[in-house]
Amino acid sequence: DAGVTQSPTHLIKTRGQQVTLRCSPKSGHDTVSWYQQALGQGPQFIFQYYEEEERQRGNFPDRFSGHQFPNYSSELNVNALLLGDSALYLCASSLAWTGAYEQYFGPGTRLTVT
Amino acid sequence: GIQVEQSPPDLILQEGANSTLRCNFSDSVNNLQWFHQNPWGQLINLFYIPSGTKQNGRLSATTVATERYSLLYISSSQTTDSGVYFCAVFDNYGQNFVFGPGTRLSVLP
Repeated sequence: DAGVTQSPTHLIKTRGQQVTLRCSPKSGHDTVSWYQQALGQGPQFIFQYYEEEERQRGNFPDRFSGHQFPNYSSELNVNALLLGDSALYLCASSLAWTGAYEQYFGPGTRLTVT
Repeated sequence: GIQVEQSPPDLILQEGANSTLRCNFSDSVNNLQWFHQNPWGQLINLFYIPSGTKQNGRLSATTVATERYSLLYISSSQTTDSGVYFCAVFDNYGQNFVFGPGTRLSVLP
């Protein structure tokens, strides 16, 4: 049973650049959520994708955007990177029809903006 | 939106000791999960427990939804239990998961 996978593992970008992070959900899951975790803090919800549409969004600017593909995998895009965007980005998948939204997390992508 | 608090913020134990971690939340929830974040950042599912009690080996959890708290018990702690423990609840209003600030556990040999 394939778990949640994310790529790349680590990434270093320069301020002002754009970045794309990728996530493949756990086998059988159809919903993908993205979180940002700054050092020493709990994860903060960015947005959730279901049926290729953004269903919910947290308190993040429009520089953060995403996409979900027909195979349920997802991308997180961040434009005009700021130093404050340096964080661990976590992807979680769940199965919508259960209504329980029990989430399973990937290993994360650590983004450093210099 | 819903507020989630965890206590204590930090906990240091000797190997073999028992501990109780607490999660308080400000509104009713129909989903609560406990996670263990290892030193490499991986969030590992411990329990999905919107109510009631569950046990898994040396770990157990209890959620009293009507009183808006959940407890995670770790018995006979091992050094591999070290890391940060997070409680996360599903905010029915905002329709998103809200994490607490975590409890950092250090188990000394």
